[in-house]
Amino acid sequence: SAVISQKPSRDICQRGTSLTIQCQVDSQVTMMFWYRQQPGQSLTLIATANQGSEATYESGFVIDKFPISRPNLTFSTLTVSNMSPEDSSIYLCSVEGQKNTGELFFGEGSRLTVL
Amino acid sequence: GENVEQHPSTLSVQEGDSAVIKCTYSDSASNYFPWYKQELGKRPQLIIDIRSNVGEKKDQRIAVTLNKTAKHFSLHITETQPEDSAVYFCAPQGSTGNQFYFGTGTSLTVIP
Repeated sequence: SAVISQKPSRDICQRGTSLTIQCQVDSQVTMMFWYRQQPGQSLTLIATANQGSEATYESGFVIDKFPISRPNLTFSTLTVSNMSPEDSSIYLCSVEGQKNTGELFFGEGSRLTVL
Repeated sequence: GENVEQHPSTLSVQEGDSAVIKCTYSDSASNYFPWYKQELGKRPQLIIDIRSNVGEKKDQRIAVTLNKTAKHFSLHITETQPEDSAVYFCAPQGSTGNQFYFGTGTSLTVIP
């Protein structure tokens, strides 16, 4: 298993500002995944973050809007830049379990509200 | 990314009845097929999974069946209980093994 701490758990932000979400894992992992979950919707993969290389973004997500850092094997950040109300969502980080069985473990999520 | 759809999107059953949720996917190279349960306000958690060399797997009241030829797999819950009420997501693993795309989700309500 993996224990993931995410912060902030929630925040209210003003339009045009940026917010950085932090994700800390209790073990070293190769890949960390960032998801967005809009109210009542499924989880949409934003990007995959590998240590020592640029994150891989999914279609519809760009680095300028969602810059990601991955300074080591236990930590990653996702920044939501120049926020608008449409960015109001829950953002979740996730990792695959230690044995690479395919099971994903999630942080508790960061609920962002943009006014 | 992979196209993943679930049916139905919402499902209401009487306590004690069975529930079946189907997941269809597009990537024929997918080889890992999990189901996640997300209770209101909580993070998703794996409840059962299956690999492509197996057709069916059961764990107490829940089971998963896989039809690789038709590219779909299903979650079966028997003797449903109110605590089974949640949103269920399938998330077949992409062919590279590095992506996990979630299905559209099914909201299950078990009526006491």
